[in-house]
Amino acid sequence: GAVVSQHPSWVICKSGTSVKIECRSLDFQATTMFWYRQFPKQSLMLMATSNEGSKATYEQGVEKDKFLINHASLTLSTLTVTSAHPEDSSFYICRVQGGYGYTFGSGTRLTVV
Amino acid sequence: AQTVTQSQPEMSVQEAETVTLSCTYDTSESDYYLFWYKQPPSRQMILVIRQEAYKQQNATENRFSVNFQKAAKSFSLKISDSQLGDAAMYFCAYRGGTASKLTFGTGTRLQVTL
Repeated sequence: GAVVSQHPSWVICKSGTSVKIECRSLDFQATTMFWYRQFPKQSLMLMATSNEGSKATYEQGVEKDKFLINHASLTLSTLTVTSAHPEDSSFYICRVQGGYGYTFGSGTRLTVV
Repeated sequence: AQTVTQSQPEMSVQEAETVTLSCTYDTSESDYYLFWYKQPPSRQMILVIRQEAYKQQNATENRFSVNFQKAAKSFSLKISDSQLGDAAMYFCAYRGGTASKLTFGTGTRLQVTL
């Protein structure tokens, strides 16, 4: 599978501000990346599929205007949480589809205060 | 829609013993893939083992093996000679043959005791 770097690993932001999370495929050109959200002691829920050079595909119930996804290159996808609120506090994980496997980033713990 | 069910929220096993984690799934597809992922406290998702539905032979990776029962739509994970480092959340996941989405079960927390 691909080598994936996700940054930052954790972030604290004030309510109402925006936060950007990056997911980089270091050794594989990924046309497709995925963004998941995981609440404590729960499973991973797919938020959206990020497609290089085109609009992301969002899962039902995910606000497109709140969770902005940009996949401008074959190695980078970004998730921006806009106007963050405490209920957006969660663990966000990206996944890269490439090669034999599907590699996950190390995740970002977002805390909105 | 495909669903994945893990009916054991928590399991415990003694070091060096064997434990089996259960997973069932529901699908109308004939071509698909099944996975077990491990999520330790670091929360990094680690692929443990993968099974292609068209393969009758059960996948094996060192101490990890699966019991894949296609007709019963069951995909259990057996961990032999359990080690302290095996303590983690384990997620069963499904992917359709032509799809790229992974559908996860709710997870099983495995404790390994001395």
